[in-house]
Amino acid sequence: SAVISQKPSRDICQRGTSLTIQCQVDSQVTMMFWYRQQPGQSLTLIATANQGSEATYESGFVIDKFPISRPNLTFSTLTVSNMSPEDSSIYLCSVGGRQGTDTQYFGPGTRLTVL
Amino acid sequence: QKEVEQNSGPLSVPEGAIASLNCTYSDRGSQSFFWYRQYSGKSPELIMSIYSNGDKEDGRFTAQLNKASQYVSLLIRDSQPSDSATYLCAVRLPYNQGGKLIFGQGTELSVKP
Repeated sequence: SAVISQKPSRDICQRGTSLTIQCQVDSQVTMMFWYRQQPGQSLTLIATANQGSEATYESGFVIDKFPISRPNLTFSTLTVSNMSPEDSSIYLCSVGGRQGTDTQYFGPGTRLTVL
Repeated sequence: QKEVEQNSGPLSVPEGAIASLNCTYSDRGSQSFFWYRQYSGKSPELIMSIYSNGDKEDGRFTAQLNKASQYVSLLIRDSQPSDSATYLCAVRLPYNQGGKLIFGQGTELSVKP
């Protein structure tokens, strides 16, 4: 499986500020995704990060709130903008499409608390 | 609305027993199915993938798929306390519908020594 790292691993932020989360993979992957996991809940897909083009967002998520970059096949960032306490969650980077498979692996996650 | 349904549990089994985790899905066109294990405070870890009807075994884990009944299950033999975690069923939508993974709400498993 791919080795995926995320930074930061956790953060505590003030309401109204923004946080950028980085995801780095040890090899080139076709697909990169960003998920949110709220306390006690399952995973919800925020968007698919497309290399060289705008991300594809799921219903309920918008680019102004969650801008995403993917400059190459091993790196992506997710920004959580103008944060509120409702954004407190774990944010997970996921990758897939390595070696032609459709299996998907998850990074260690970023635990965000908004005060 | 594409759905994946799991019993939330908790499912409690004694050490050494077989744990049976079940999942149903709504989209008949789905072709790829996955089980992830998530320990508390950790990210999901892929355990098994299954694509064809029938059983697929990997060590103490067996995944079972029945596309006609839209049902996928995970059996854990000789359950150990270290198997205590939340198990997430995930189904990939057909690529002509976006190909994204849809997750169930997870089943919490507790293995008692």
